[in-house]
Amino acid sequence: QVQLHQWGVGLVRPSETLSLTCAIYGESLSGYYWSWIRQPPGKGLEWIGEINHSGSTTYNPSLKSRVIMSVDTSKNQFSLKMTDVTAAETAVYFCAREKSIVAPPFDYWGQGNLVTVSS
Amino acid sequence: EIVLTQSPATLSLSPGDRATLSCRASHSVGIYLAWYQQKLGQAPRLLVYDASSRASGIPARFSGSGSGTDFTLIISSLEPEDFAVYYCQHRNNWPPTYSFGQGTKLEIK
Repeated sequence: QVQLHQWGVGLVRPSETLSLTCAIYGESLSGYYWSWIRQPPGKGLEWIGEINHSGSTTYNPSLKSRVIMSVDTSKNQFSLKMTDVTAAETAVYFCAREKSIVAPPFDYWGQGNLVTVSS
Repeated sequence: EIVLTQSPATLSLSPGDRATLSCRASHSVGIYLAWYQQKLGQAPRLLVYDASSRASGIPARFSGSGSGTDFTLIISSLEPEDFAVYYCQHRNNWPPTYSFGQGTKLEIK
């Protein structure tokens, strides 16, 4: 059974960097793309970007200049950093696996982390 | 980028009713549309992908249909645990991003 467990700092000051990590259990990083998705309180879902086991990334164009994703294959984990955050980026951040098919949906999700951006 | 528009925004029904949720794409997406269910405080759960394929472990009362620009998720007979928010989603070819609909809230009447 695939499980994703994520963690990170819950409170970030404006203009600073948000950091989250997602660990994968029951499946290898290899062979899949892994995404980060966020959801402001009471609002809809926004895709942030994706990464695969070799570190190949694609980012949402609207966030591209501030997002860095990385993988650690030895720990079967992947991470998100988002720089220069604003209060509007307060959200629950999810990690998720992309199902290995054409135009993949997200078939496994982490539990989500609320990240609050506030001074 | 494809824009996905869901309707209605809110649907008020009773247990045992049939629910019909709609998702319209701004341009054709073929069959490449997925549906998710999200309950309060939880991550979304994949229900249907490729327009009509049920994900693993999803009850048969959930069914998806459609192609091109118009898609439907039907819940044939609502159970109490089905009251939640539902999202549609598509993977864009270019730019290579994901689009989500704004959601339909299915509430108890």
